[in-house]
Amino acid sequence: GAVVSQHPSRVICKSGTSVKIECRSLDFQATTMFWYRQFPKQSLMLMATSNEGSKATYEQGVEKDKFLINHASLTLSTLTVTSAHPEDSSFYICSARDLGAGLGYGYTFGSGTRLTVV
Amino acid sequence: GENVEQHPSTLSVQEGDSAVIKCTYSDSASNYFPWYKQELGKRPQLIIDIRSNVGEKKDQRIAVTLNKTAKHFSLHITETQPEDSAVYFCAASEGNTDKLIFGTGTRLQVFP
Repeated sequence: GAVVSQHPSRVICKSGTSVKIECRSLDFQATTMFWYRQFPKQSLMLMATSNEGSKATYEQGVEKDKFLINHASLTLSTLTVTSAHPEDSSFYICSARDLGAGLGYGYTFGSGTRLTVV
Repeated sequence: GENVEQHPSTLSVQEGDSAVIKCTYSDSASNYFPWYKQELGKRPQLIIDIRSNVGEKKDQRIAVTLNKTAKHFSLHITETQPEDSAVYFCAASEGNTDKLIFGTGTRLQVFP
């Protein structure tokens, strides 16, 4: 089945530094990738939608300059948390849509990245 | 945009009993409703989904029902087992887009 590889799984960084998270679709082409953020014991909050070759679309309240998203190819999307602060500590998870899937199908989630900013 | 509400937030049942989790959505144009099971620190796993042209779908011990008029859908788990213990999320597509909007989650505990 479809697999999305997400790295790193865990990262600890100092305040003020930037962290890049990668999601790769291993055996399919992902036209669209979604980035979610999940605080402990809470739901997955959609942050942004990225389409290959175009600018990401951010949800209301998400700072685009803070969370840089790049979707340069059909198999790779990256999320960079810039100038990270402790409040950015969270579980970040991506979801990719299979190019060949019809609407509503083909969502595959990455394994998530636990970001801790100290 | 889409708003998805989920109840209850926690649910404790005895092994063998049934569990029901309910969700409501706001966007009448939503057409896809998946349910996910998430264990601590892991990715969400799709357990069942339903599209708007279907009222009910069943897969062994798991079933989902959809009431488009009332804009609510429910997950039914029968003959629960301790390994069913996890957090369950409903989701709904936002209108006719690819976006999935998640409910607030239900922590299910099945006691042996």
